[in-house]
Amino acid sequence: DVKVTQSSRYLVKRTGEKVFLECVQDMDHENMFWYRQDPGLGLRLIYFSYDVKMKEKGDIPEGYSVSREKKERFSLILESASTNQTSMYLCASSDWGQGGETQYFGPGTRLLVL
Amino acid sequence: RKEVEQDPGPFNVPEGATVAFNCTYSNSASQSFFWYRQDCRKEPKLLMSVYSSGNEDGRFTAQLNRASQYISLLIRDSKLSDSATYLCVVNILGNQGGKLIFGQGTELSVKP
Repeated sequence: DVKVTQSSRYLVKRTGEKVFLECVQDMDHENMFWYRQDPGLGLRLIYFSYDVKMKEKGDIPEGYSVSREKKERFSLILESASTNQTSMYLCASSDWGQGGETQYFGPGTRLLVL
Repeated sequence: RKEVEQDPGPFNVPEGATVAFNCTYSNSASQSFFWYRQDCRKEPKLLMSVYSSGNEDGRFTAQLNRASQYISLLIRDSKLSDSATYLCVVNILGNQGGKLIFGQGTELSVKP
């Protein structure tokens, strides 16, 4: 089974802090994604990566950056956390398959910024 | 207009009922289509892919109408364990690592 793990399930940070969210997948997938999920807005793509050291902006990249130094690890960085970044953060990985792709999600990190 | 639109519900149905969810998408270049399921406070998981010819997996049937840009999910003989949020998902790129666009989700609650 594909396994995607995230470093924390719950996190509380203060405004202005630098926050690192780590994601690791064990299936040698090339593609990795970071989303945030908010009530009424669904999942929104922040950043994604198709390969090591490669990154692409998603729909809402402002206030975030990412790092992919190794194939299995994709980190999301909040440079200076703000209260509007309080959310559920979900990491996903995928490989290319016939007819599209299946994304496998980690359990999520609930971040509260005070 | 949202790229993928769903009725957020909630749909409250008794056990054994048949329930249908609808979804529309705006990008005619969309390549592939899926239904994901998300249990409360858990991550989304793939329920089934949706093919042009329609496909069935046990009590679940998915349909795609490309002309109308419309996707549906039918659940027959609902079980309590079907209670979850169902996410309509569209892949708008057909190449490596296509980007998925998620609908808001439709909440289903199956009651005894």
